[in-house]
Amino acid sequence: KAGVTQTPRYLIKTRGQQVTLSCSPISGHRSVSWYQQTPGQGLQFLFEYFSETQRNKGNFPGRFSGRQFSNSRSEMNVSTLELGDSALYLCASGDGEDTIYFGEGSWLTVV
Amino acid sequence: QKEVEQDPGPLSVPEGAIVSLNCTYSNSAFQYFMWYRQYSRKGPELLMYTYSSGNKEDGRFTAQVDKSSKYISLFIRDSQPSDSATYLCAMSDRGSTLGRLYFGRGTQLTVWP
Repeated sequence: KAGVTQTPRYLIKTRGQQVTLSCSPISGHRSVSWYQQTPGQGLQFLFEYFSETQRNKGNFPGRFSGRQFSNSRSEMNVSTLELGDSALYLCASGDGEDTIYFGEGSWLTVV
Repeated sequence: QKEVEQDPGPLSVPEGAIVSLNCTYSNSAFQYFMWYRQYSRKGPELLMYTYSSGNKEDGRFTAQVDKSSKYISLFIRDSQPSDSATYLCAMSDRGSTLGRLYFGRGTQLTVWP
């Protein structure tokens, strides 16, 4: 069974630009959650989607948004990028019964 | 105070040593406890998952949960250089969502040959 797939793996953006990251969950998983990981703050929860509905949201500004499609694939978007948005963005999927499994992440550098 | 506290290390041990990694937490609503291993520039990989207090063993790994003390541990027996990674504890109150986990900051472990 294929794992969680995230694209792109690495990207560099300029301050003020926007970025969209994509996540394909494990087959059969309907829950997708997103995390931001930085050396200073560790892993911080962004939001979770289940069957196309946002179920929970972390303490991030409105510049961070996401969505989930009918095939459970998810995207997250960050608008008006700031230098502090440089981080590893991790997507995780779950079946709602056990725990969650992470992808390899998307490394975002904002310059 | 963070809800989950974890000593960041770094921890350096010789091959074959027994490693003990620990986390404490403050939220008594946490019911699910996990340990993830993260290699450099990779995503976290699930190692152990426990629900109740007590011990759970999987090969060289043993996870221990003491809800009365709000304390969880991961023991690694016969540690190998391939165990060198950052170990993250995580927990959930399950509430309305399982996707929201609360993580410790991670302990960086190096096992030298």
